[in-house]
Amino acid sequence: GESVGLHLPTLSVQEGDNSIINCAYSNSASDYFIWYKQESGKGPQFIIDIRSNMDKRQGQRVTVLLNKTVKHLSLQIAATQPGDSAVYFCAEIRSNAGNMLTFGGGTRLMVKP
Amino acid sequence: EPEVTQTPSHQVTQMGQEVILRCVPISNHLYFYWYRQILGQKVEFLVSFYNNEISEKSEIFDDQFSVERPDGSNFTLKIRSTKLEDSAMYFCASGTGRMTEAFFGQGTRLTVV
Repeated sequence: GESVGLHLPTLSVQEGDNSIINCAYSNSASDYFIWYKQESGKGPQFIIDIRSNMDKRQGQRVTVLLNKTVKHLSLQIAATQPGDSAVYFCAEIRSNAGNMLTFGGGTRLMVKP
Repeated sequence: EPEVTQTPSHQVTQMGQEVILRCVPISNHLYFYWYRQILGQKVEFLVSFYNNEISEKSEIFDDQFSVERPDGSNFTLKIRSTKLEDSAMYFCASGTGRMTEAFFGQGTRLTVV
């Protein structure tokens, strides 16, 4: 089965609201996680990363939370804007798998004006 | 801001033909990758390249695929005899080290007819 997966395929939020995108992983050897944003017709764009020795990391308007107990990762976007509309992927690197990124299935975030 | 560039942006080829997808990674990066994304699906790892050799490859990366770094700036993916199921977006990515984020190019859309 797939190690990295997403709970919801589509998330629709009102502009200005906060968004939370979730991701589950199953491999305990996963020790580095990245959130990517992909706009239509473009390549994945790095948003934020977190290592397994952390449980929270903040960027500009984004926060990633890592719960290793339940193997769950989330991306929180504050004050969601229309420009945030995209597909969001979580990806993992496992300590025993070199530098290979394993991507989850993606969540489409739709921001309503 | 440095970026990964890929050419061409769109390639149409007949089944059985050879194609070469080209990438110029970010100049000080040492790790290079190819990923692909079939329309509407998640991003899948193909191969990673470091120190002038393949460091990892997935099951997708069979004998029809090869990679090369012919000079100090280019990184290419060759598909020897294309099949219809090779139709996808192919993304090149590069990174500075292990367990660090990979920066993606805009992709080459390969259409096999």
